[in-house]
Amino acid sequence: QVQLVQSGAEVKKPGASVKVSCKASGYTFTDYYLQWVRQAPGQGLEWIGWINCKNGITKYAQRFQGRVTMTRDTSINTASMELTRVRSDDTAMYYCAREEDFYLGGGTFSFAFDRWGQGTLVTVSS
Amino acid sequence: EIVLTQSPGTLSLSPGERATLSCRASQGIINSYLAWYQQKPGQAPRLLIYGTSRRAPGIPDRFSGSGSGTDFTLTISRLEPEDFAVFFCQHFGSSRAVTFGGGTKVEIK
Repeated sequence: QVQLVQSGAEVKKPGASVKVSCKASGYTFTDYYLQWVRQAPGQGLEWIGWINCKNGITKYAQRFQGRVTMTRDTSINTASMELTRVRSDDTAMYYCAREEDFYLGGGTFSFAFDRWGQGTLVTVSS
Repeated sequence: EIVLTQSPGTLSLSPGERATLSCRASQGIINSYLAWYQQKPGQAPRLLIYGTSRRAPGIPDRFSGSGSGTDFTLTISRLEPEDFAVFFCQHFGSSRAVTFGGGTKVEIK
């Protein structure tokens, strides 16, 4: 079955970097995009960006540009997201999610996140 | 960037009642790029609806989606005890840039 298993919780001091990994299994890793989303305590979902697992091309949300780097290692079916210069407001649960492209017919596709990792809690505190 | 506004913020209903959740986009969007998710406490979100109205595999038919243009709706025809949760709408924009609505909490009255 399809699974995304994320690395464990992290505690970081302000200004440090944090790297979260997401190991995929149960499907062909390079056939999909992996997306990253975070959720601050008690808040909504915030999109961080995606990586095309076939060719490594990435796209990041504007507010994370310059601080986030997404990579993948196809030999171990794992994607990673590194956030640098972390601040207290980066404290959140970080999720990876697989993007599925659903064919609707007539040449039209729909996109959605059909599988999610369990989440990785990143706490930033001095 | 498209902004998604969900309403109400909280919906207090009893099991068996009908729930109607709204998601309004700041400008017209393509129906195929609107999805809905359910999130229970301590869990990752779960995909319910994609392409405005298509149920994801395994999702019960009491969940339905509709809408077009700027106004979209998630309806739960008869609430079951396990349906109480927070619901988010999501839009895929150009270059797969994603935005989420702020969420609607459906709580037991």
